[in-house]
Amino acid sequence: SAVISQKPSRDICQRGTSLTIQCQVDSQVTMMFWYRQQPGQSLTLIATANQGSEATYESGFVIDKFPISRPNLTFSTLTVSNMSPEDSSIYLCSVEDENGQGFWFFGPGTRLTVL
Amino acid sequence: QKEVEQNSGPLSVPEGAIASLNCTYSDRVSQSFFWYRQYSGKSPELIMSIYSNGDKEDGRFTAQLNKASQYVSLLIRDSQPSDSATYLCAVSDNTNAGKSTFGDGTTLTVKP
Repeated sequence: SAVISQKPSRDICQRGTSLTIQCQVDSQVTMMFWYRQQPGQSLTLIATANQGSEATYESGFVIDKFPISRPNLTFSTLTVSNMSPEDSSIYLCSVEDENGQGFWFFGPGTRLTVL
Repeated sequence: QKEVEQNSGPLSVPEGAIASLNCTYSDRVSQSFFWYRQYSGKSPELIMSIYSNGDKEDGRFTAQLNKASQYVSLLIRDSQPSDSATYLCAVSDNTNAGKSTFGDGTTLTVKP
């Protein structure tokens, strides 16, 4: 199983600022995924990050708001830009099971509060 | 209609009882089905996967799949207070770049 770490674990930010979340995996993976989980809700996929190419964003999410980097096969960052209180959420990094069974491992999450 | 729907909660059962969690999905080409458990303040963790019709048992957990009815369920036998969590149903068609669709979750409380 993949072990995923995220930094920071939580943060409180002011409106209009940006926060970069880091995700580190203990093994090389082809794709890394970024999810958002708003309070009391399920998981919403923000984007898929492949090493060496632009991230692929889901409907409703844009690169200017959520720029993503994927410099190598074990690391990715997600930036939440020009934050508003509506961005208050848990942001989760995820990787797929490399044995092709289709399930996911999730990082511990970053709990973001925007004031 | 949501792509993955779970029975509305919260669900409360006494310790030792059977908890039954249900999930329906709309995409008939779905091939893989997963149940994740999420404790409050924690990230989801996989507890069961099922790929073919029928039952799959793992300890106190049994997943049931009926593709004709587009229905998947999770039974937890001899429920324990430590089972209190939100359970997320996820469905994948194995083709869409590895993406799964998650239900909204059912919150289970097991009372001692």
